[in-house]
Amino acid sequence: SAVISQKPSRDICQRGTSLTIQCQVDSQVTMMFWYRQQPGQSLTLIATANQGSEATYESGFVIDKFPISRPNLTFSTLTVSNMSPEDSSIYLCSVEPAGTGRIILSGQETQYFGPGTRLLVL
Amino acid sequence: KQEVTQIPAALSVPEGENLVLNCSFTDSAIYNLQWFRQDPGKGLTSLLLIQSSQREQTSGRLNASLDKSSGRSTLYIAASQPGDSATYLCAVRNRGSTLGRLYFGRGTQLTVWP
Repeated sequence: SAVISQKPSRDICQRGTSLTIQCQVDSQVTMMFWYRQQPGQSLTLIATANQGSEATYESGFVIDKFPISRPNLTFSTLTVSNMSPEDSSIYLCSVEPAGTGRIILSGQETQYFGPGTRLLVL
Repeated sequence: KQEVTQIPAALSVPEGENLVLNCSFTDSAIYNLQWFRQDPGKGLTSLLLIQSSQREQTSGRLNASLDKSSGRSTLYIAASQPGDSATYLCAVRNRGSTLGRLYFGRGTQLTVWP
């Protein structure tokens, strides 16, 4: 298992500003993920962050809007840039300690999630 | 593209009732399916994980079944308690996905009142 913390837990921001969210894991993991949960919607993967390489973004998400850093195996940041009210969401990071990056999965791989950062943009 | 649907969106029941939450997915080529519980400010907690080769998993009062061919899963909660109040999310992992991507439903918001 893995214990994940996020900072801040919540924030209220003005449009046009940027917010950086931190994700800290209590163990070394290869892959970390950032999700967004808009009000009333399902969790949507923003990007996958591997240590030592550029993050991989999902369709609809771009690096200029959501730059990600992954300086080591226990830490990552997600920045929400030039915010608008549509960015109001819960942002969650997750990790997958076992089997990440393997071609053949066992089927038992699971992800552990942080508590989330609740963002409101005015 | 995998799409996951959960029914009902919300459920409010008195304590003690047995409940069934439903999840359906469009692409049956999955590695596994997970049920999560989401509490405000606490993130997601994994409840049960069913591998594609399995039919069901049980943990305490929870039982999850999987019918991969029909693209359906159900989460059965026995003798519900107020502490079960939370949002329950279903998520699937597609075959061929090495990047750990999970596809989530919108969840079922459950309220159990004393």
